[in-house]
Amino acid sequence: DGGITQSPKYLFRKEGQNVTLSCEQNLNHDAMYWYRQDPGQGLRLIYYSQIVNDFQKGDIAEGYSVSREKKESFPLTVTSAQKNPTAFYLCASSFGRTGQSSYEQYFGPGTRLTVT
Amino acid sequence: SQQGEEDPQALSIQEGENATMNCSYKTSINNLQWYRQNSGRGLVHLILIRSNEREKHSGRLRVTLDTSKKSSSLLITASRAADTASYFCAPGFQGGSEKLVFGKGTKLTVNP
Repeated sequence: DGGITQSPKYLFRKEGQNVTLSCEQNLNHDAMYWYRQDPGQGLRLIYYSQIVNDFQKGDIAEGYSVSREKKESFPLTVTSAQKNPTAFYLCASSFGRTGQSSYEQYFGPGTRLTVT
Repeated sequence: SQQGEEDPQALSIQEGENATMNCSYKTSINNLQWYRQNSGRGLVHLILIRSNEREKHSGRLRVTLDTSKKSSSLLITASRAADTASYFCAPGFQGGSEKLVFGKGTKLTVNP
């Protein structure tokens, strides 16, 4: 059963704590992405990775960190430096090869993070 | 900025009616994608139209692309309550990497 999974669906943290969101895919995709979505807003790109052991900052990378040690996994850490971390976080993947046209992105179900 | 902008921001129609959403962008593209997002869920890819195509169909969906006007439209025919969702366009810009930039979307409500 191929797909992209995110866990957990809901996450609650106290202010000042780091938290790591999981994203796993078994689609054999090279590229993976993290987006943030605030209520009534579109998606904003946090980080993306086109190949293992490499990743690039998106539009709102400050306060976040990622790793890409395995092709299947692209965890996102929301650090205490992120000023307003409460949001809906979406992970996606695509075949993506550098220099090629944009490919269809497959999205996970999302993680809703609440920080109080 | 390099993103698509959807119009209108919100659209409310009755079941059975057609729904039309528009997307405008500013620089040359290789292709353009449309996605749907049900409330509280991830996005689902609907259709990709390439820059050399003018129209594409998928079931009750019809997408048009006018590169001279830098615009695209998504038409949903004979809408159903299940079509209630937000719809996003994502232009694939020439010379860009694999990243897509999403706008704020059109929130479609189909009333039964």
